[in-house]
Amino acid sequence: EDQVTQSPEALRLQEGESSSLNCSYTVSGLRGLFWYRQDPGKGPEFLFTLYSAGEEKEKERLKATLTKKESFLHITAPKPEDSATYLCAVQALTSGSARQLTFGSGTQLTVLP
Amino acid sequence: EAQVTQNPRYLITVTGKKLTVTCSQNMNHEYMSWYRQDPGLGLRQIYYSMNVEVTDKGDVPEGYKVSRKEKRNFPLILESPSPNQTSLYFCASSRDNRHEKLFFGSGTQLSVL
Repeated sequence: EDQVTQSPEALRLQEGESSSLNCSYTVSGLRGLFWYRQDPGKGPEFLFTLYSAGEEKEKERLKATLTKKESFLHITAPKPEDSATYLCAVQALTSGSARQLTFGSGTQLTVLP
Repeated sequence: EAQVTQNPRYLITVTGKKLTVTCSQNMNHEYMSWYRQDPGLGLRQIYYSMNVEVTDKGDVPEGYKVSRKEKRNFPLILESPSPNQTSLYFCASSRDNRHEKLFFGSGTQLSVL
């Protein structure tokens, strides 16, 4: 069974204080790992897709990295508008076709001014 | 504007009273899916559809029905709602089964009394 564990559950940072969110996963053959951002009262919004260990993706103050067992979402010099819940999801390969996504419970990030 | 539209946004009902949550996408996406989101459990998939007239169960399908008669619409039906179906529901769509990028609706907060 595919599993995704995100840590910490909640993180409070001061504006400008860089940090990382962790997503540990167990899948039988990874097709892709996805990061989403979810603001209160809204649906998740796509951020990144990572496919293989060593891959990195960047967007503004966010950088996602991937190893064979986990992914990190690095937030550099965060601003209050980066406050949101960050979700990680994995998609496994099975018999040549893609399985459905398995989501983690998310990390709720609060950036204080 | 590309979007996934869910209705209603909020719904309060009583046990056993049939209800339908509508979902429509304007991106000509083949793949559509329903998720429920509960505190500490993350997003769990209820049903998904790879194309018109093609639907399949996700991880938590009990008590739910879906249909895909048109490409753009994917309604979620609760024939006899129970209190344990109180949750936040999201509809999502993507171009195809590879889930390169899932687009989510704004969510439906359902309370079953």
